[in-house]
Amino acid sequence: GAGVSQSPRYKVAKRGQDVALRCDPISGHVSLFWYQQALGQGPEFLTYFQNEAQLDKSGLPSDRFFAERPEGSVSTLKIQRTQQEDSAVYLCASSIGGWGGYTFGSGTRLTVV
Amino acid sequence: GENVEQHPSTLSVQEGDSAVIKCTYSDSASNYFPWYKQELGKRPQLIIDIRSNVGEKKDQRIAVTLNKTAKHFSLHITETQPEDSAVYFCAASGGNTDKLIFGTGTRLQVFP
Repeated sequence: GAGVSQSPRYKVAKRGQDVALRCDPISGHVSLFWYQQALGQGPEFLTYFQNEAQLDKSGLPSDRFFAERPEGSVSTLKIQRTQQEDSAVYLCASSIGGWGGYTFGSGTRLTVV
Repeated sequence: GENVEQHPSTLSVQEGDSAVIKCTYSDSASNYFPWYKQELGKRPQLIIDIRSNVGEKKDQRIAVTLNKTAKHFSLHITETQPEDSAVYFCAASGGNTDKLIFGTGTRLQVFP
């Protein structure tokens, strides 16, 4: 596609509910990244894929967070048993790799009530 | 791991003045330094980037300088306009990873 597409754009979840956030990267982009951006803060790294391989998941805050990219294109970030502190914008970015500039999606704003 | 510090956190300038935002990084292996502009409620957008083999890069009113010895890099915006108002983030990556580590952001306000 023309850009990085994320869905849903907004998600309200009750505490304890599981959520799944989707990212559709730019076609042909090898690298895919997930970031969490709290209000007024910079994006915080969560995890990173090169094709289908998850090369770094050091930023995932707990074992409630899980990401996958099974076919090396679309990725899903899953959060189990959501808590209020999970409320943030979740940004996905893709790049062609080799320190090419990231292109970010518009993000999913998650609100846990 | 890499740590990126950014300052100032807020910056107010008069239209037509210059604005400078500074960042420092900790990992000497970092070799890619992009800058992103984020308007309220929108995605971060890449505005300029620099690699470690270059000391300065310019694109119209925007320039970035890099001092690898001191491990700092700066964004310079000249002839600022109200539409430059946004939050600007610096970032760094390199070594054996493509992941970017972001600074905490600078909110730039340009007053007409």
